[in-house]
Amino acid sequence: LAKTTQPISMDSYEGQEVNITCSHNNIATNDYITWYQQFPSQGPRFIIQGYKTKVTNEVASLFIPADRKSSTLSLPRVSLSDTAVYYCLVGEGAGSYQLTFGKGTKLSVIP
Amino acid sequence: KAGVTQTPRYLIKTRGQQVTLSCSPISGHRSVSWYQQTPGQGLQFLFEYFSETQRNKGNFPGRFSGRQFSNSRSEMNVSTLELGDSALYLCASSLNGLAGGEGELFFGEGSRLTVL
Repeated sequence: LAKTTQPISMDSYEGQEVNITCSHNNIATNDYITWYQQFPSQGPRFIIQGYKTKVTNEVASLFIPADRKSSTLSLPRVSLSDTAVYYCLVGEGAGSYQLTFGKGTKLSVIP
Repeated sequence: KAGVTQTPRYLIKTRGQQVTLSCSPISGHRSVSWYQQTPGQGLQFLFEYFSETQRNKGNFPGRFSGRQFSNSRSEMNVSTLELGDSALYLCASSLNGLAGGEGELFFGEGSRLTVL
């Protein structure tokens, strides 16, 4: 089964770029990699999704190497409001309908 | 358009009771998946319903069950509540479901259950 491993926590100063790496050694051929952000007592919110190489949107970039066994979420110039838990998510396998969230990375942005 | 709505937002039950939680997905979405979130275990998949059929179930005992109606609204039920069932229960809707993890999940605000 696909499983993700992320750092438990990270600290960053405001204005810096933050990179959070997730490993998913058993990712299946059909699986996508998705990142979500969650604030306390709220449901997670979609940030970005990719299959391979690099994806960029208005809030983040996602870097996926050729072997797809890891991925890196990049948040440019973080602010205090980016303090949240970030989850890396992959499917549980080709054709499966189950997702593994893991425990996420708690990012604390310091003024 | 309206987001995912979960009711009730907060509830308190005692051990042995049962509880039913409701989730109304975004209009047009056929998939509803449920998750349990606790400080110790994080976010764990419970089950997914797609067009009224349960497609997969996570590693939870049979006390946890669910269903989906023809209008895609979903309910989950927990019977014989235990203290360890205290958690934030989240539902998420998506257009095409969870296969391969493709597509965006839209989460509700959750139902916070406290079991005394």
